[in-house]
Amino acid sequence: AQKVTQAQTEISVVEKEDVTLDCVYETRDTTYYLFWYKQPPSGELVFLIRRNSFDEQNEISGRYSWNFQKSTSSFNFTITASQVVDSAVYFCALSDPDGGSQGNLIFGKGTKLSVKP
Amino acid sequence: ETGVTQSPTHLIKTRGQQVTLRCSSQSGHNTVSWYQQALGQGPQFIFQYYREEENGRGNFPPRFSGLQFPNYSSELNVNALELDDSALYLCASSLAGRLAGVPGELFFGEGSRLTVL
Repeated sequence: AQKVTQAQTEISVVEKEDVTLDCVYETRDTTYYLFWYKQPPSGELVFLIRRNSFDEQNEISGRYSWNFQKSTSSFNFTITASQVVDSAVYFCALSDPDGGSQGNLIFGKGTKLSVKP
Repeated sequence: ETGVTQSPTHLIKTRGQQVTLRCSSQSGHNTVSWYQQALGQGPQFIFQYYREEENGRGNFPPRFSGLQFPNYSSELNVNALELDDSALYLCASSLAGRLAGVPGELFFGEGSRLTVL
């Protein structure tokens, strides 16, 4: 079964701390895509990254970095030197081969990150 | 570039009624996906439309139906509303990739929050 697990429901840190959000996935496919989205209080989900299953290189974008490990089926997200504006709910998602072609993703339940000043 | 817009932003219905939610996709995007997000949960894929036809469906009953128009805007219709239909309904647009099966980056609207009493 296709599944995404985000075990951390809520995380609270103080500004400038580093924080890692965990994501573990299950899939029967050999080719798949993983995503991270951010959902601020306004509601819309904001795309952060897409990673395909053949590319296990870690990626860094400013204060954000992602660690993809196929051996443990994990795709963790680290924010370095967190800021108050990082406060949001973060979702990890997996492409779903069933139900059509693009755009259908399986989301985890999300991790609510609160960054306090 | 115009982003994804959804209407209405909030609405209240009673059990058994019908509701229509609307979405204007981002300029140039030809694919629209709809998701249901219950409180405290991740979004769940309802269906996707491409070139005015349903192009994939999640595990939702037939009383959830949709339309896509020639200008790529879309509607989500829900008949015979139930209390469990209370949720944030998110629309996401994307551009179908040139490579078959490559999920594109989704651009989400801020959602329509439906409350069923």
